[in-house]
Amino acid sequence: AQSVTQLDSQVPVFEEAPVELRCNYSSSVSVYLFWYVQYPNQGLQLLLKYLSGSTLVKGINGFEAEFNKSQTSFHLRKPSVHISDTAEYFCAVSERGNTDKLIFGTGTRLQVFP
Amino acid sequence: DAGVIQSPRHEVTEMGQEVTLRCKPISGHDYLFWYRQTMMRGLELLIYFNNNVPIDDSGMPEDRFSAKMPNASFSTLKIQPSEPRDSAVYFCASRPDRNNEQFFGPGTRLTVL
Repeated sequence: AQSVTQLDSQVPVFEEAPVELRCNYSSSVSVYLFWYVQYPNQGLQLLLKYLSGSTLVKGINGFEAEFNKSQTSFHLRKPSVHISDTAEYFCAVSERGNTDKLIFGTGTRLQVFP
Repeated sequence: DAGVIQSPRHEVTEMGQEVTLRCKPISGHDYLFWYRQTMMRGLELLIYFNNNVPIDDSGMPEDRFSAKMPNASFSTLKIQPSEPRDSAVYFCASRPDRNNEQFFGPGTRLTVL
C-alpha cells in the first residue's frame, strides 16, 4: 500500500519569493506521482505528474517538481510566486501502471502575501 | 470541452433525508470516480467505475451510501438516510484510460443539519 505525507499544512510566503512544498511517499512498489492544485470552491486541477523518464518535471503555471527515489520525495517548487498561486496543493501517489487508486496527502495551503 | 459536471453545487438537507448527487463525466472517458473531502479525513476515494461497472466500492463508508452508473454519461451517488457526519464536499472525477490522470469536477458541498 502507498501513503503520502505532506509535512507542512500551511506555507506563508511573500509575492515573488521562491517556494517549496514538501511531499514524501511510502510504497513497496514503483509509483506514479502527481501534484494537484485546488483553488477556493473549485475541484482539483493537475499541476504536473511524474510517470517515468526525467526526474525533473515541469508543470503548468511555472511549477516544477523533482522525483527523488532515494529520499522517496517529490517536492514542488516555484522560483517566484504570485498572489494567484494562493491555493491548496495536494500530492498524490498511485501504483505504477495503474492510476485506479490515487492516494492523496492531506494538502498544503499556500498563502501568498503582497 | 465542458469538463466534469456535477450537480447540485450546494445541497443543504436535514438529517434523515435522501440525498442524490449527480455527475456527468468527460465524454469518452472510461473511468469515473467518486471522492469525499473532509477536514478530518482529507480526500477519500469512495467508489470507481470502469465502463459503467463498479470496480471497487471498498471506500463506501456504509450501506447508507450507494452509487450507480446507468450509462457512460451519468452517475449518481445516493445517501439514504443522510446524517450530519456526511457533511463534506463530494467530488466526481473521470479518466480516459489507466495511464492517464484523473480530471475532477467542481464538487458538491453537502450540509446535513
